[in-house]
Amino acid sequence: DADVTQTPRNRITKTGKRIMLECSQTKGHDRMYWYRQDPGLGLRLIYYSFDVKDINKGEISDGYSVSRQAQAKFSLSLESAIPNQTALYFCATSGLAGFNEQFFGPGTRLTVL
Amino acid sequence: AQSVTQPDIHITVSEGASLELRCNYSYGATPYLFWYVQSPGQGLQLLLKYFSGDTLVQGIKGFEAEFKRSQSSFNLRKPSVHWSDAAEYFCAVGAPTNAGKSTFGDGTTLTVKP
Repeated sequence: DADVTQTPRNRITKTGKRIMLECSQTKGHDRMYWYRQDPGLGLRLIYYSFDVKDINKGEISDGYSVSRQAQAKFSLSLESAIPNQTALYFCATSGLAGFNEQFFGPGTRLTVL
Repeated sequence: AQSVTQPDIHITVSEGASLELRCNYSYGATPYLFWYVQSPGQGLQLLLKYFSGDTLVQGIKGFEAEFKRSQSSFNLRKPSVHWSDAAEYFCAVGAPTNAGKSTFGDGTTLTVKP
């Protein structure tokens, strides 16, 4: 089984809808991250969490919110989706050791019409 | 603040040829450096990493990278490319003072010609 899983893998939604992307991990890592990938722009950090009570904004947090329900679960929500949030979303984890090495989920492809 | 530049957006090489992907970073002290690979439809996978010590690091799938402090570079190399190496490659920099976050470059897409 994959160490970092994301659901759904693909989602098409309409402008204005609320949508939640979920991430679960079995690596036992404290740190979890949400990234957005757009062609030619690499990965941009949306939110990150170092434990259940520690959640921080990344470089592009506007229009997004997160919830860290447990050490193993980190969800990303779009309260009112807009077309320019169409992108590939990745969840990642890292441990306290490992010097920032991150382990990625397979990604969720989100299309907002 | 730390930053990463991958100067080449797209590189095409013939199968069996050598490969070098460039990465330049900006950070005031010795950074943590990473190369990740993203195959089509998949997440990112770590190829190799540098923290300290020997400046030539070996990774998976026959890749290696060399840290050159004087040039602020961490270029990825492979002596003989295989068709399965076609993918997007990301360089990333992290730092002990940056709370566990990594900054990623924009990526280089590698195409392998038969």
